[in-house]
Amino acid sequence: SQQGEEDPQALSIQEGENATMNCSYKTSINNLQWYRQNSGRGLVHLILIRSNEREKHSGRLRVTLDTSKKSSSLLITASRAADTASYFCATAEIQGAQKLVFGQGTRLTINP
Amino acid sequence: EAGVVQSPRYKIIEKKQPVAFWCNPISGHNTLYWYRQNLGQGPELLIRYENEEAVDDSQLPKDRFSAERLKGVDSTLKIQPAELGDSAVYLCASSFQPQGTQYFGPGTRLLVL
Repeated sequence: SQQGEEDPQALSIQEGENATMNCSYKTSINNLQWYRQNSGRGLVHLILIRSNEREKHSGRLRVTLDTSKKSSSLLITASRAADTASYFCATAEIQGAQKLVFGQGTRLTINP
Repeated sequence: EAGVVQSPRYKIIEKKQPVAFWCNPISGHNTLYWYRQNLGQGPELLIRYENEEAVDDSQLPKDRFSAERLKGVDSTLKIQPAELGDSAVYLCASSFQPQGTQYFGPGTRLLVL
């Protein structure tokens, strides 16, 4: 079963614009992670935000977490063609098995 | 440092045939995961190992799937017999901690005809 739901499912923007993807989840979490997957490749870890954190930055990435709304957002600023990929959120649940549960992903296309 | 290694990268088999996938995790990572990823979907966990112990195999279809991680290092995932619905990408990942950052291999793309 997949807990995280990404929104939108697909996003197409022009190079240089900012891209925002959202993730909603259902249960209490220890942390939330974002991963990127280029076509035909494995997933690459981007950023981890803990449940007691509200915002985190890494280069052109900005992640927010609102535990009261059970939601997170990933912002990519000044997008580049190389950012074209699928982006997944993954939640580390407090209850139950100690594992990550991945959402269905957002397919991001950056048009040159 | 080498990342997670998987082989083969691609496999095409006929239904009812067996197939096996191999994974070598990052050195020092005690936790190893096998995921299945269907087209357009996120990865779904099949089994998680802590060292050589399978601590979560609740999503593994045990009638046809099996896995092992002898000596707590590399691992194999087997399907016997394969069905058409098993066509997917099988991803292996490893991590230092169960809920920490996971490092993924490139995956094995399986096509069952």
